[in-house]
Amino acid sequence: EAGVVQSPRYKIIEKKQPVAFWCNPISGHNTLYWYRQNLGQGPELLIRYENEEAVDDSQLPKDRFSAERLKGVDSTLKIQPAELGDSAVYLCASSLGTVSYEQYFGPGTRLTVT
Amino acid sequence: QKEVEQNSGPLSVPEGAIASLNCTYSDRGSQSFFWYRQYSGKSPELIMSIYSNGDKEDGRFTAQLNKASQYVSLLIRDSQPSDSATYLCAGGTRSGGSNYKLTFGKGTLLTVNP
Repeated sequence: EAGVVQSPRYKIIEKKQPVAFWCNPISGHNTLYWYRQNLGQGPELLIRYENEEAVDDSQLPKDRFSAERLKGVDSTLKIQPAELGDSAVYLCASSLGTVSYEQYFGPGTRLTVT
Repeated sequence: QKEVEQNSGPLSVPEGAIASLNCTYSDRGSQSFFWYRQYSGKSPELIMSIYSNGDKEDGRFTAQLNKASQYVSLLIRDSQPSDSATYLCAGGTRSGGSNYKLTFGKGTLLTVNP
């Protein structure tokens, strides 16, 4: 069974530029999560989707971050414009949701904002 | 602020010894707990989940949960150099409907010396 797929794996951009991350969850997992992980810290939730619906976006900085999951499968997380403090690893995870809360992570995208 | 606390380490053990990793949580509503292993530069990998008080064993790993003391631990028997990684503890809380949140600790760095 294929795991969570993310792209790109690495991204270097200048501040004020836009950037987008893509995630394809494990087949059949209707719950998708975007996390941000800073060095030396645990992952912090940005947004959680149940199918197409964003059910928890309370930690998403909505002035510059946006996300979508149009068909309830793939998801895109966007930052516009990026700031120096956005440098981090952006992780996508998926789970079966109410059937099982075990979350499985993709390889992540390491973002460096210069 | 609901927190999951872990000793940051590093915890250093000799090869073949038992490594003991500890975690406390502040939210008494937390119902599910997970241990993730994260190698340097990689994403978190789920290694254990535990939902009920007591012990759960899987190979060389044993997770222990004590909800009265709000304490979770992970024991790694016969530690191997390949176990050297950061171990993240996470607690999950369901608060009505489909609202579910996983809170991660900062992780404990384990080094197993040959």
